[in-house]
Amino acid sequence: GQQVMQIPQYQHVQEGEDFTTYCNSSTTLSNIQWYKQRPGGHPVFLIQLVKSGEVKKQKRLTFQFGEAKKNSSLHITATQTTDVGTYFCAGPEEYGNKLVFGAGTILRVKS
Amino acid sequence: DAGVTQSPTHLIKTRGQQVTLRCSPKSGHDTVSWYQQALGQGPQFIFQYYEEEERQRGNFPDRFSGHQFPNYSSELNVNALLLGDSALYLCASSSLVTGTRGTQYFGPGTRLLVL
Repeated sequence: GQQVMQIPQYQHVQEGEDFTTYCNSSTTLSNIQWYKQRPGGHPVFLIQLVKSGEVKKQKRLTFQFGEAKKNSSLHITATQTTDVGTYFCAGPEEYGNKLVFGAGTILRVKS
Repeated sequence: DAGVTQSPTHLIKTRGQQVTLRCSPKSGHDTVSWYQQALGQGPQFIFQYYEEEERQRGNFPDRFSGHQFPNYSSELNVNALLLGDSALYLCASSSLVTGTRGTQYFGPGTRLLVL
């Protein structure tokens, strides 16, 4: 079945440093979605990318969808302690509506 | 406008017992999906309900069953609980008619501990 992989599994950065997490799907995706889960919380929808090569920005966050629509990245510029959490990418299954999640990247920010 | 709500927030059960979790979708949404999130992992799809029917199911045993009511709210039932069923159970709502494919809004979850 469809698999979504994320790297790195964990990253610990100094406040003010940049952070990037990468997502790869075993199949071409109709769209890719990113979620953030704070410690003890639930996944919160951040953004959805649909078009090949699409780039979207939300303040210090930049999301990119690959040309082949099989990979994506999330880049955070100048991390802050409020960025702490686990970032998940997810893509809908080729046939059906279920979302297949990556294992997530845990971000810790040291102030 | 209320978001997705779930109850209870926490639950402790023993092996072999049965549990029912509840979810009310976001206003305007007609589709409810259930996910299981084990510690340190991403959410795993259990099943999805639309128009009171199970539309799609993930790789979960028949011990996991569900229901959707005419007001779009939903229940997740798990029978014969195992220790491995301990997890955060997430309900996600979406709109098949108006929503972009796959976009889902998660509730706060129910943390189930099986002893």
